[in-house]
Amino acid sequence: GAVVSQHPSWVICKSGTSVKIECRSLDFQATTMFWYRQFPKQSLMLMATSNEGSKATYEQGVEKDKFLINHASLTLSTLTVTSAHPEDSSFYICSARDNGQTYSNQPQHFGDGTRLSIL
Amino acid sequence: GENVEQHPSTLSVQEGDSAVIKCTYSDSASNYFPWYKQELGKRPQLIIDIRSNVGEKKDQRIAVTLNKTAKHFSLHITETQPEDSAVYFCAASFNQAGTALIFGKGTTLSVSS
Repeated sequence: GAVVSQHPSWVICKSGTSVKIECRSLDFQATTMFWYRQFPKQSLMLMATSNEGSKATYEQGVEKDKFLINHASLTLSTLTVTSAHPEDSSFYICSARDNGQTYSNQPQHFGDGTRLSIL
Repeated sequence: GENVEQHPSTLSVQEGDSAVIKCTYSDSASNYFPWYKQELGKRPQLIIDIRSNVGEKKDQRIAVTLNKTAKHFSLHITETQPEDSAVYFCAASFNQAGTALIFGKGTTLSVSS
């Protein structure tokens, strides 16, 4: 089945540093990938839609200069949390759909998530 | 944009009982409604989904019903087992490229033996 790989799975770093998270579709191509953030005991909140070869679309309230998204190929999207602070600590999850299948038949595939802890 | 409401937030049942979780959505254009199970610290796992051209779908102990007119859909788990304990999320979207899933707030299901 379709697999989405997310790396790293866990990051601990100091306040003020930048952290890059990678999301790869391993056996399919994805024009669009999605980034979600999940705080403890809360739901998955859509942060942005990553579009291959163009700018990402950010949800209201998400700072595009703080959460930089790059989708340079059909199998890779990256999320960079710039100048991270403790309030950015969260579980970040990406998802993608297979370009090559009829969308009505394809669910979204989620990565394993990245737990980000800012000290 | 789409807004998904989910109830209840917590649900405790005895092993063998049934569990029902309900969701409502706001965007009448939404046509895809998946349900996910998430265990602590892990990715959401798709357990069942339904599209707007059907009213009900069943997979062993799990079933989902959809009422398009009322814009609500429900997850039914029968003969619950302790391993069903997890957080369950409903979601809705218009099922095409570039459209993200919008999630409900989740239901923590506890099945006691």
